[in-house]
Amino acid sequence: EVQLVESGGGLVHPGGSLRLSCAASGFTFSTYWMHWVRQTPEKGLVWVSHISSDGSGTSYADSVKGRFTISRDNARNTLYLQMNSLGAEDTAVYYCARDYPGDGIDVWGQGTTVTVSS
Amino acid sequence: DIVLTQSPLSLPVTLGQPASISCRSSQSLAHSDGNTYLNWFQQRPGQSPRRLIYKLSNRDSGVPDRFSGSGSGTDFTLTISRVEAEDVGVYYCMQGSQWPPWTFGQGTKVEIK
Repeated sequence: EVQLVESGGGLVHPGGSLRLSCAASGFTFSTYWMHWVRQTPEKGLVWVSHISSDGSGTSYADSVKGRFTISRDNARNTLYLQMNSLGAEDTAVYYCARDYPGDGIDVWGQGTTVTVSS
Repeated sequence: DIVLTQSPLSLPVTLGQPASISCRSSQSLAHSDGNTYLNWFQQRPGQSPRRLIYKLSNRDSGVPDRFSGSGSGTDFTLTISRVEAEDVGVYYCMQGSQWPPWTFGQGTKVEIK
């Protein structure tokens, strides 16, 4: 069974940092692009970042560029999102999602909640 | 960036009746490879999104055949032929034809009258 399990969310002060992880199982992780998508009641689903299968290619939403870094460890079947200089606008549920070759985002994790507040 | 606009944002439906959700794109989603990378997702209350339709009209495995996707260019529709109680939730369109960024519609909340 394909499974994505996020962790690392929590409460952080403005200006702080957090690293999210996404453990993948049930598929050959190293052959898939991966994404981070976040969700708030106000904005709905918003794409955050993507990484290619070998990690050589990445892209970011303008709102997080320069603050967030996506990475992956294919030996550990794990995706990461390093988030720095966090602000209230980063408060959201963060999902990792798999990108099926040629078909786009298909499978999502259960999400991890990030709250930025003093 | 491509903007996706869904309508309506709220859709009260009667059980057993059809329902349609529109998704309009600010630019054509027809890709040079001949595909249209427009997907539809369902998010039931308290759950993660689940993909229903990919590349305009292809149903994912396990998705009931009452769900169908159609459209072309900039206008797309998700149709539920006969709404069932388990279809309650929020539906999102998403484009992957021009990236980054990948973009989503605002979501349409389907509820039973």
